[in-house]
Amino acid sequence: AQKVTQAQTEISVVEKEDVTLDCVYETRDTTYYLFWYKQPPSGELVFLIRRNSFDEQNEISGRYSWNFQKSTSSFNFTITASQVVDSAVYFCALSVLPSISNTGNQFYFGTGTSLTVIP
Amino acid sequence: DGGITQSPKYLFRKEGQNVTLSCEQNLNHDAMYWYRQDPGQGLRLIYYSQIVNDFQKGDIAEGYSVSREKKESFPLTVTSAQKNPTAFYLCASSRYLAGGNLDFGPGTRLTVT
Repeated sequence: AQKVTQAQTEISVVEKEDVTLDCVYETRDTTYYLFWYKQPPSGELVFLIRRNSFDEQNEISGRYSWNFQKSTSSFNFTITASQVVDSAVYFCALSVLPSISNTGNQFYFGTGTSLTVIP
Repeated sequence: DGGITQSPKYLFRKEGQNVTLSCEQNLNHDAMYWYRQDPGQGLRLIYYSQIVNDFQKGDIAEGYSVSREKKESFPLTVTSAQKNPTAFYLCASSRYLAGGNLDFGPGTRLTVT
């Protein structure tokens, strides 16, 4: 079975602090994909990053960075020098290939981490 | 611009009425999904469809129905059989290939009283 755990329900930081959002996943598949999405107060989920299971290289995009470690089944997300605009709910998700043909990719979401950046 | 549209953004209904939420995409994506979001529970899959005229139940399909008559459209009907229909409903689409990410619509907030 597949599962994504985001143990941090809510986090508050003061502007300019760094913050790390944790994501732990479970799967027996050897090929899988990991995602992070941002959900601002408007409600629409915005895609941030995708990683496949064969690429453990960490990635940095501006103030955002992601740390993928297969050894600990984690895909953590760090925001450096946080800003008020980073306030949102962040979801980690796992996608695996279908076990039955024509059922397509299956996505499994964590329960999200609500981040509040205080000015 | 390509994207997913959901209408309306806010919807109010009386208990016992069926209501249909629309979802249209012009991304030429094969797969479409409906998720329900309740506070503190993340996203739960209601239905998904990989091709026209075919769809599968997700984790919480009871009380919902869908159709996929066109590639671009995947409407969701919330029936009177759904016990707790008040929620935020998100439609998404994806290319039919391994690792394709989900693109989401803006969502419809349904309130049933």
